[in-house]
Amino acid sequence: DVKVTQSSRYLVKRTGEKVFLECVQDMDHENMFWYRQDPGLGLRLIYFSYDVKMKEKGDIPEGYSVSREKKERFSLILESASTNQTSMYLCASSSPPQGAFYGYTFGSGTRLTVV
Amino acid sequence: AQKVTQAQTEISVVEKEDVTLDCVYETRDTTYYLFWYKQPPSGELVFLIRRNSFDEQNEISGRYSWNFQKSTSSFNFTITASQVVDSAVYFCALSEAYTNAGKSTFGDGTTLTVKP
Repeated sequence: DVKVTQSSRYLVKRTGEKVFLECVQDMDHENMFWYRQDPGLGLRLIYFSYDVKMKEKGDIPEGYSVSREKKERFSLILESASTNQTSMYLCASSSPPQGAFYGYTFGSGTRLTVV
Repeated sequence: AQKVTQAQTEISVVEKEDVTLDCVYETRDTTYYLFWYKQPPSGELVFLIRRNSFDEQNEISGRYSWNFQKSTSSFNFTITASQVVDSAVYFCALSEAYTNAGKSTFGDGTTLTVKP
């Protein structure tokens, strides 16, 4: 069964800490995405990547960075965690739209609490 | 800019009722994809259906059906004879076809509660 795996289901961090959220997919997908989900705000795109070492800002990149050193892994980094970054973080992957494009496969999410 | 509007924030029905979840989208692209995803209480979003902009055929899959109308920019989702297991948050999404890695814009979601 194809999978997108997020390393942590729940995470509690202190304000000012550097936080790494890891996402790994086993489908050989080129595209990977990080969204955050907040009540009443739906899913908002933070960053995405369409190839190794390639990244693009989404709609709300401030306070975040990403890393994609290998095709299967896409990491989201909170350089200095703040309480307003408390949220559910969702990783997703997809094949290129030019090919068979069946939308996203999502990970199960990481619920991050910054205290 | 692309936009997806799910006007219904929450819907509550009794089991076996039919329910329709509305989705209205905005895009300047002529080629695009539309999706519905389900997020059960466990949290993981699950793909339900996709439609490309050239395919306006309605689709039925068991108790689920989808109505895509380009004239009204709508892609509505109907559950027939709802069941308690249908309780979830449902998201409609719009993807660019050939740019920006096909990134998706999501609506805010509709929380469906099916009561026994």
